[in-house]
Amino acid sequence: GENVEQHPSTLSVQEGDSAVIKCTYSDSASNYFPWYKQELGKRPQLIIDIRSNVGEKKDQRIAVTLNKTAKHFSLHITETQPEDSAVYFCAASSSGSARQLTFGSGTQLTVLP
Amino acid sequence: NAGVTQTPKFQVLKTGQSMTLQCAQDMNHEYMSWYRQDPGMGLRLIHYSVGAGITDQGEVPNGYNVSRSTTEDFPLRLLSAAPSQTSVYFCASSITSGDTYEQYFGPGTRLTVT
Repeated sequence: GENVEQHPSTLSVQEGDSAVIKCTYSDSASNYFPWYKQELGKRPQLIIDIRSNVGEKKDQRIAVTLNKTAKHFSLHITETQPEDSAVYFCAASSSGSARQLTFGSGTQLTVLP
Repeated sequence: NAGVTQTPKFQVLKTGQSMTLQCAQDMNHEYMSWYRQDPGMGLRLIHYSVGAGITDQGEVPNGYNVSRSTTEDFPLRLLSAAPSQTSVYFCASSITSGDTYEQYFGPGTRLTVT
C-alpha cells in the first residue's frame, strides 16, 4: 500500500517568513495530493490540492509543488501570519480524488509574532 | 445545510463494551469514510463506502464494523472495545464533480477506552 512520509514534524518561523513542508510518497500510481490544516481541537480542513497532471498550484499565500519523478510534493506558505499556526497534513491517493487517502504524520507549524 | 455531523462528541468505554459512533451528512455525497487520529500518526483510514450498500476496509479495519443502508448515514461499530482503540475518530464525506474533490470532515468523536 501507499506510504506517505512528512517532514519536518515541527517547524517554527518568524511572522512574515516563508514555511515549507515536504512529503514523499511510495506508490507511483498516486495521482491526487491534498493538504489539510488542523487547528487544535478542530477538524481537518482542505487548504489546497494538486493532481498529478499539474506541477504547481497557487492560491494566494499558499502553493503546492509536485515532482512525480522523485515522488515528492511540498507545501509553501509565504508571508506567514500567527493564524497560520496549526498542524498541517499531506495526503495521497491513487483514486484521482479524495477517496482512500493515505496521510502523512503531520507538521506542527508555529508562527512567532 | 449541516454538512457532516457526528455523535457523540466524547465517550468513555470500559474494555469489552460495545458502542456505535454515528455519522450523517446532508450533502448527498456518495463517498463516506471513517478515520482515526492518534498523536504523531496522522489520520488512518478504517473503513469507507462508495455508496449505499457498499463498504470496504481501509488501512486499520480490525475491531470495527460499518454498514451503509442510506446515502446519509455511515455508523461505525466497536464490537468489543480495547484500550488500543482510544483515539479521535473522524467521519468524512466527499463527492467528485468536475474539478471538485474536497473531502468534508465531521467534528470528531474523542473516545477513551479504560
